[in-house]
Amino acid sequence: DAGVIQSPRHEVTEMGQEVTLRCKPISGHDYLFWYRQTMMRGLELLIYFNNNVPIDDSGMPEDRFSAKMPNASFSTLKIQPSEPRDSAVYFCASSLVRGGLPGELFFGEGSRLTVL
Amino acid sequence: RKEVEQDPGPFNVPEGATVAFNCTYSNSASQSFFWYRQDCRKEPKLLMSVYSSGNEDGRFTAQLNRASQYISLLIRDSKLSDSATYLCVVMDSNYQLIWGAGTKLIIKP
Repeated sequence: DAGVIQSPRHEVTEMGQEVTLRCKPISGHDYLFWYRQTMMRGLELLIYFNNNVPIDDSGMPEDRFSAKMPNASFSTLKIQPSEPRDSAVYFCASSLVRGGLPGELFFGEGSRLTVL
Repeated sequence: RKEVEQDPGPFNVPEGATVAFNCTYSNSASQSFFWYRQDCRKEPKLLMSVYSSGNEDGRFTAQLNRASQYISLLIRDSKLSDSATYLCVVMDSNYQLIWGAGTKLIIKP
């Protein structure tokens, strides 16, 4: 079975450029999460969706970040304009509902972003 | 104080030894607890959930101490393949998942 699929796996861009990260969750999963991981700050939740609806975006650093989930099988995380401090690994994860709550999170392999 | 705290390590342990590490959490109303494993440059994967009565999965034992607000992970007969970072995850009273920074474990031959 296909897991969570993220693209691109690696991206190197220059400061000021727009970056779009993509995620295809596991089919049938109700929740989709976007995380960012750095050595300094660990795993940080940016935003999550339930049935394609954004539930909590309080972790989105600032207006430069935006996320969409136009349908159950696709989500994007966009950074515009990008800055060097955005360099990190961005993970997408999905999960099924268990007892009304998110169950086990299944992560994609991550998108490693470097902003020069 | 961080909501979920872990000793970052690294714990350097000889193969075959037993190793244990803890994770403390600050919110006494936390609902659920988990251990995830993350290999170097890979994504986190669920290792095990932590139940109130404690639970065991092969060489791995997880326990919850609500009174002292910590969970623990014990690995017996450690293998080289156990080398990874172990992430503690706590679901708080608002059903949000709070992640620890992880404990790095290195098993040496």
